[in-house]
Amino acid sequence: NAGVMQNPRHLVRRRGQEARLRCSPMKGHSHVYWYRQLPEEGLKFMVYLQKENIIDESGMPKERFSAEFPKEGPSILRIQQVVRGDSAAYFCASSPPGLAKNIQYFGAGTRLSVL
Amino acid sequence: AQSVTQPDIHITVSEGASLELRCNYSYGATPYLFWYVQSPGQGLQLLLKYFSGDTLVQGIKGFEAEFKRSQSSFNLRKPSVHWSDAAEYFCAVALNNEGNMLTFGGGTRLMVKP
Repeated sequence: NAGVMQNPRHLVRRRGQEARLRCSPMKGHSHVYWYRQLPEEGLKFMVYLQKENIIDESGMPKERFSAEFPKEGPSILRIQQVVRGDSAAYFCASSPPGLAKNIQYFGAGTRLSVL
Repeated sequence: AQSVTQPDIHITVSEGASLELRCNYSYGATPYLFWYVQSPGQGLQLLLKYFSGDTLVQGIKGFEAEFKRSQSSFNLRKPSVHWSDAAEYFCAVALNNEGNMLTFGGGTRLMVKP
């Protein structure tokens, strides 16, 4: 059973470009979370999704950021018109349905560098 | 809003020595508590969790943690540290078992001296 898969592992973008980060949850998991880790800081929650639904986006910046988890395919975190302050590690986590839904399993992250 | 504090940003211990990493949370009820470890350039691995029941929980890699309600603490311990334990450790809380977000502490970076 493969773990949470994120790609790319490293992404370099110039200011103003778009960044697309992908996350494939563990098999059987129906919940996906995105977190951002700025240098020398802990992880900060961004968004919580289930298939085709955004459940909680209270941690998402109001502009330029969006997330989706379609019926088929990976979850996508999209950052439009990136700025230097978007440089960070973005982690995806997934959890199973049912009683264990609070146990989140993390991917290796995508490290975004904005030039 | 809940918050998690890890008072020690850096800790250095000698290999073979015991370890305790502190974690305090601020929340009205008992949250769900977790410890994760992050090796450089890697994702987070779950070490252990507390939901209810016995307040001393055992995890992987020889780690344990004790929940103390009166102190709002969930400190991580290991009796004998190995060089491979050098990493960053994060304490996290969730409000309930409804698929809620995790709130993380700022992390403690552990260095191990030979």
